[in-house]
Amino acid sequence: GENVEQHPSTLSVQEGDSAVIKCTYSDSASNYFPWYKQELGKGPQLIIDIRSNVGEKKDQRIAVTLNKTAKHFSLHITETQPEDSAVYFCAASGNDMRFGAGTRLTVKP
Amino acid sequence: DTGVSQDPRHKITKRGQNVTFRCDPISEHNRLYWYRQTLGQGPEFLTYFQNEAQLEKSRLLSDRFSAERPKGSFSTLEIQRTEQGDSAMYLCASSLAGERYYGYTFGSGTRLTVV
Repeated sequence: GENVEQHPSTLSVQEGDSAVIKCTYSDSASNYFPWYKQELGKGPQLIIDIRSNVGEKKDQRIAVTLNKTAKHFSLHITETQPEDSAVYFCAASGNDMRFGAGTRLTVKP
Repeated sequence: DTGVSQDPRHKITKRGQNVTFRCDPISEHNRLYWYRQTLGQGPEFLTYFQNEAQLEKSRLLSDRFSAERPKGSFSTLEIQRTEQGDSAMYLCASSLAGERYYGYTFGSGTRLTVV
């Protein structure tokens, strides 16, 4: 089955800096890659996703890149704000959806 | 529609007791998923339904766990003879049918503590 590795587990940046979170997956059949943001006491919320026929997708300050050959994808957050502080999960979906272990992002004001 | 609703938000139970959680998905979504999340980990897949049919179960779903979606709308997850290792956040999600290429909408979860 699918195995998703996510790095780093924690990330601390200054407000205004960029943050990058990286994930790798094992199942070459996976073709849908969503990213979720989870705040304390809440369920994960979808923030951006990318399908395998696209190499990059951007939505305001958030972008995701996908390298299918290398089986890795990344989340990029620019101009970080304190409200971006949360746990971020990547996921890969082929026959089922598997999640990474999460990255706790802290944005210091 | 206010999204995916889960009830209760928190449940504390004694070891050996049975517990049941409820999930109400987004009404137009006919796929419903149950995940378990422990501290510091990502959600782990338990099972999913398309309409009322349970199509897939993880090996994490031991025979003490049972899930139903009797009318293709809300779903229940029951844990019998709870163990301390069952303590976790139980998340429900729903999505559109037909493809796995839609992001899931998660509920806020039910946090189970077994004492």
